[in-house]
Amino acid sequence: SQTIHQWPATLVQPVGSPLSLECTVEGTSNPNLYWYRQAAGRGLQLLFYSVGIGQISSEVPQNLSASRPQDRQFILSSKKLLLSDSGFYLCAWSGGQSYNEQFFGPGTRLTVL
Amino acid sequence: DAKTTQPTSMDCAEGRAANLPCNHSTISGNEYVYWYRQIHSQGPQYIIHGLKNNETNEMASLIITEDRKSSTLILPHATLRDTAVYYCIVTAGNQFYFGTGTSLTVIP
Repeated sequence: SQTIHQWPATLVQPVGSPLSLECTVEGTSNPNLYWYRQAAGRGLQLLFYSVGIGQISSEVPQNLSASRPQDRQFILSSKKLLLSDSGFYLCAWSGGQSYNEQFFGPGTRLTVL
Repeated sequence: DAKTTQPTSMDCAEGRAANLPCNHSTISGNEYVYWYRQIHSQGPQYIIHGLKNNETNEMASLIITEDRKSSTLILPHATLRDTAVYYCIVTAGNQFYFGTGTSLTVIP
């Protein structure tokens, strides 16, 4: 069966520090991968999605970036965090067909102080 | 941007059916309707999806109007564990745009 992992589960970082969140998927190949952010009391915002290694589409311009160095690995990064980057970050995968549902990881709660 | 409109919150008595409406008046012919729910501090969970026919699975039923401009998610016998935020999404591709959803509270 397929599983999706995210780490760390929680993170507290000072403003201006770098960020690296990792997401890996097991039990499937060639997944579509997604990064979402959920600010407090808000809906989920799609940040990035990837249909293959090295292929990243950005939905919202910001100080975040994403990379997909391996088929089942998706990384969210920032060189300098802002206070507004605080939130709940979720990684998801889908099977590649347009009608396939997305499966979400457990999320990383990031607090920028 | 989300293409759906949902009520902000709803209450439902435990054991009764919960009917969650969603308006998607600008839906295109190739767009599916998806429903997810998110229990506090967890990732969203897939519930059901459909194109134009009504759908049913072990979790819920999805009723889509004939003109496809609205749909209703039905939880037939709501339990306390169904308390969550429910998101209605329309999409033709891989990008899902979540709105703020409906916060459903199941009351004992």
